[in-house]
Amino acid sequence: DIQMTQSPSSLSASVGDRVTITCRASQRISNFLNWYQQKPGKAPRVLIYAASSLQSGVPSRFSGSGSGTDFALSISGLQPEDFATYYCQQSYSTPFTFGPGTKVDIK
Amino acid sequence: EVQLVESGGGLVQPGGSLRLSCTASGFTFRNYWMSWVRQAPGKGLEWVADIKQDGSEKYYVDSVKGRFTISRDNAKNSLDLQMNSLRAEDTAVYHCARESYSNWNRWFDPWGQGTLVTVSS
Repeated sequence: DIQMTQSPSSLSASVGDRVTITCRASQRISNFLNWYQQKPGKAPRVLIYAASSLQSGVPSRFSGSGSGTDFALSISGLQPEDFATYYCQQSYSTPFTFGPGTKVDIK
Repeated sequence: EVQLVESGGGLVQPGGSLRLSCTASGFTFRNYWMSWVRQAPGKGLEWVADIKQDGSEKYYVDSVKGRFTISRDNAKNSLDLQMNSLRAEDTAVYHCARESYSNWNRWFDPWGQGTLVTVSS
């Protein structure tokens, strides 16, 4: 199985900050990497698919990068509605696996 | 509007069974792989199983193999998860999710709101 790790596990930031979350796969997965945002009590929603493609309807302050084993999600100009938990997920092979999550809260 | 609605969750004793259902609307259900993804209370996301468009291929996470069965009825736009021999560690919110795709990439979008399964005596 492909193991996914994320760092940091949590971070505190202020509105307007630029935030970067990293994700690493235990083996090369090309660009088969997706990012999700989840708010308490809600279902996750996809932000980025195929490592760097912005899902329709997602603000352009979200961006994804990387290929192979190392990936990043960046949020430029953090907004109040961005405080949430973020997960990466590989779709290279089953079992599909998620990272442990990064909680972004208000400083 | 693309929508997924789960049902069937509840409280069940260890060793018991439960059948979850997911009803899809707003898209051509038979054209997509479908998945179940769960989240234990206060924990992260875990993919459980998925099924090909015509039901001919099914995949499971190791921890549920032999106990859970995924199935679909394309005529009814429905996805099911039959869960047997339930354990305390199966306690979670279970989401159904469509596997959207482009080229060979797949991602979960949208997700249903989830149904809570609690395994406890």
